[in-house]
Amino acid sequence: AQRVTQPEKLLSVFKGAPVELKCNYSYSGSPELFWYVQYSRQRLQLLLRHISRESIKGFTADLNKGETSFHLKKPFAQEEDSAMYYCALRGGTSYGKLTFGQGTILTVHP
Amino acid sequence: ETGVTQSPTHLIKTRGQQVTLRCSSQSGHNTVSWYQQALGQGPQFIFQYYREEENGRGNFPPRFSGLQFPNYSSELNVNALELDDSALYLCASSHQTKLELFFGEGSRLTVL
Repeated sequence: AQRVTQPEKLLSVFKGAPVELKCNYSYSGSPELFWYVQYSRQRLQLLLRHISRESIKGFTADLNKGETSFHLKKPFAQEEDSAMYYCALRGGTSYGKLTFGQGTILTVHP
Repeated sequence: ETGVTQSPTHLIKTRGQQVTLRCSSQSGHNTVSWYQQALGQGPQFIFQYYREEENGRGNFPPRFSGLQFPNYSSELNVNALELDDSALYLCASSHQTKLELFFGEGSRLTVL
């Protein structure tokens, strides 16, 4: 069975502080991991994927298979980063099937 | 490029009724997935359609069914509505070989 856990429902930081959103997963095979973000009054959209090993809007995430984690990090948070963040896992061959975590609401204070 | 559009945006039904939700995929996308998002939860996969056939299903009963049309638009049908079916229903389209899902804004269903 696939499972994604985001232990923090709420996370508050001040502008310029580092931020880390935690994500742990459970999957027996080789997973694909994603972070999706939903800004206020916008639709859910892809932020980044582990395969690309890219940095988007200053965010990075490293897949740690030993710890089964895919934490999202940014060294200096900005107010515009305030949003709902979902970690998601794709396992198997159904491209459209993602298993989402419960989400973390990030608030960046000025 | 037109994004994923869903209709209706909001609707209210009573227990036992049936509902149909609609989704227009993003241009060029041949795969559509449906998700249920209960309040305070992450989206939960219902099923996926590719070339007008279901090719992946989550843990949802058969009263949740769908269709995909030749123009890649899609419908989600729910029969015998229950109170717990109250949720935001999200449609996402993608190209079969690409990793990114593009989501619509959702249809919020309230079952009384």
